[in-house]
Amino acid sequence: NAGVMQNPRHLVRRRGQEARLRCSPMKGHSHVYWYRQLPEEGLKFMVYLQKENIIDESGMPKERFSAEFPKEGPSILRIQQVVRGDSAAYFCASSRLAESSYNEQFFGPGTRLTVL
Amino acid sequence: DAKTTQPPSMDCAEGRAANLPCNHSTISGNEYVYWYRQIHSQGPQYIIHGLKNNETNEMASLIITEDRKSSTLILPHATLRDTAVYYCIVRPSGYSTLTFGKGTMLLVSP
Repeated sequence: NAGVMQNPRHLVRRRGQEARLRCSPMKGHSHVYWYRQLPEEGLKFMVYLQKENIIDESGMPKERFSAEFPKEGPSILRIQQVVRGDSAAYFCASSRLAESSYNEQFFGPGTRLTVL
Repeated sequence: DAKTTQPPSMDCAEGRAANLPCNHSTISGNEYVYWYRQIHSQGPQYIIHGLKNNETNEMASLIITEDRKSSTLILPHATLRDTAVYYCIVRPSGYSTLTFGKGTMLLVSP
């Protein structure tokens, strides 16, 4: 059973370009979470999605950032007009259930975004 | 903001038990204690969680005090590969997202 997959693992963009980060959850998991880890800082929650629905986007910056989890295919975190402050590691996690005490989240290896 | 307090760093000799403390004095009755770790440059890894009873799995043991205001994660025989940042997280039942604090950097030395 493959774990959470993220691609690309490393992404370099110039200021003003768009970044697209992909996350394929574990088989059987329908809940996806995105977290961001800025250099030398802890992980911060960004957004929680179920298939075709955004459940909680309270940690998402109001502008330039969007996320989706379509019925078919991976979850996508999209950053438009990237700036140097967007340089960070972006981690995706998935879980099988949401409202359960056994809702362990399994994390992917992350995408490291560097904005030049 | 994280609802837990952990020491910023700890050292442990290889083969010895590593005991990582966590204070969560404001924990509510429906909140679970979760432990994750993050090995350098990797994604966080789930370790264990509990509500009020002590828990054990193949990775670690979790000891929660009777008043639930603190807990200890025990790695019974630490190895060099256990060197990582360990996060203690309090999360309500039915709440999905994780709030990470600064964690404890555990350094296991030969």
